[in-house]
Amino acid sequence: GAGVSQSPRYKVAKRGQDVALRCDPISGHVSLFWYQQALGQGPEFLTYFQNEAQLDKSGLPSDRFFAERPEGSVSTLKIQRTQQEDSAVYLCASTHRGVNTGELFFGEGSRLTVL
Amino acid sequence: SQKIEQNSEALNIQEGKTATLTCNYTNYSPAYLQWYRQDPGRGPVFLLLIRENEKEKRKERLKVTFDTTLKQSLFHITASQPADSATYLCALSKAGNNRKLIWGLGTSLAVNP
Repeated sequence: GAGVSQSPRYKVAKRGQDVALRCDPISGHVSLFWYQQALGQGPEFLTYFQNEAQLDKSGLPSDRFFAERPEGSVSTLKIQRTQQEDSAVYLCASTHRGVNTGELFFGEGSRLTVL
Repeated sequence: SQKIEQNSEALNIQEGKTATLTCNYTNYSPAYLQWYRQDPGRGPVFLLLIRENEKEKRKERLKVTFDTTLKQSLFHITASQPADSATYLCALSKAGNNRKLIWGLGTSLAVNP
């Protein structure tokens, strides 16, 4: 596609519900990142994929967070038993090479509100 | 651990003037540093990348400097326009893991016509 596509753009969940956020990266991009951005803050790294391999998941806040990219393209971030502190914008970014060689292309984000 | 400080106050300038935003870090010097622009409700958009062995980078009306002695990067927008109003984020590579970026909180810039 022309850019990184994320869905849903907005999600309201009741505390305890499970949510799934989808990211469709730019076609051919090898690297995919998930970030969490709280209001008024910079993005915080969650996890990184190179193709289908999850090479770094050190930023995932708890075992309620799970990410996958089974075929090396579309990725899903799943949050189980959502809590109010999970409310944030979840950003997906992709790049065709390593991030140290150039820019990250971000999607518009999925804003999650947990009531 | 690495800490990043950007101008905490919002910056208000008059159209046509040069906007200067700062990004200070406290610990190791990163292999590279990136600047992004973020509009409300949108994802960050890449502007410039500068490496530790580069002192300055330019792109159209944008200029970035990188001073590893001062542990500081400056981001300049010359001949500013109201359309430049946005939040500007700096991001640094993490030591030993240049796939991971550490981000500042951002500086809000308002260019008044």
